[in-house]
Amino acid sequence: DQQVKQNSPSLSVQEGRISILNCDYTNSMFDYFLWYKKYPAEGPTFLISISSIKDKNEDGRFTVFLNKSAKHLSLHIVPSQPGDSAVYFCAATIYGQNFVFGPGTRLSVLP
Amino acid sequence: DAGVTQSPTHLIKTRGQQVTLRCSPKSGHDTVSWYQQALGQGPQFIFQYYEEEERQRGNFPDRFSGHQFPNYSSELNVNALLLGDSALYLCASSPRPSDTQYFGPGTRLTVL
Repeated sequence: DQQVKQNSPSLSVQEGRISILNCDYTNSMFDYFLWYKKYPAEGPTFLISISSIKDKNEDGRFTVFLNKSAKHLSLHIVPSQPGDSAVYFCAATIYGQNFVFGPGTRLSVLP
Repeated sequence: DAGVTQSPTHLIKTRGQQVTLRCSPKSGHDTVSWYQQALGQGPQFIFQYYEEEERQRGNFPDRFSGHQFPNYSSELNVNALLLGDSALYLCASSPRPSDTQYFGPGTRLTVL
């Protein structure tokens, strides 16, 4: 039973445009959500997070939106750059316990 | 400031053997978590160590065990290796158990 889902295995976007990566979850007890980026041969790198008491969090080019009623969150990258090409993982946790990761979405930003 | 380091980078074992993977946390971090990432999947939580004790455990059999040392470094041991144990093993550290986790580069284990 996959509690965190990323239904798009891959996404291609033109440089300078917006990238939108989506994540759905099934457990309404999750209270903290994170996005990680992973390059080949490296470990995941923390990008941005959001608490369940908020619906938006921004950090530079990265914005995460949370829709609790839909159990859905999304990561927006504006503008997208070729260096953003990587696999993006959505993760969720309850009180900081047992982080649960989605399967990832491979983003390709085309020059 | 060194980040999370893991050794070895790659490892090849045969079925039935035992393996030990090592992790040094980021400076200032005293909590270490271990994850298994199979090909095409996201990391799956194995367990977390804090104050030299296993604090949380995911859905992994007892063949997976660990240890944390007084300097906060950690080991992951896997006994009686199965072909399905082939994966990337990631170590993550955090300042406290519930804080954001920072990952090392991983150890690629291949079981033949």
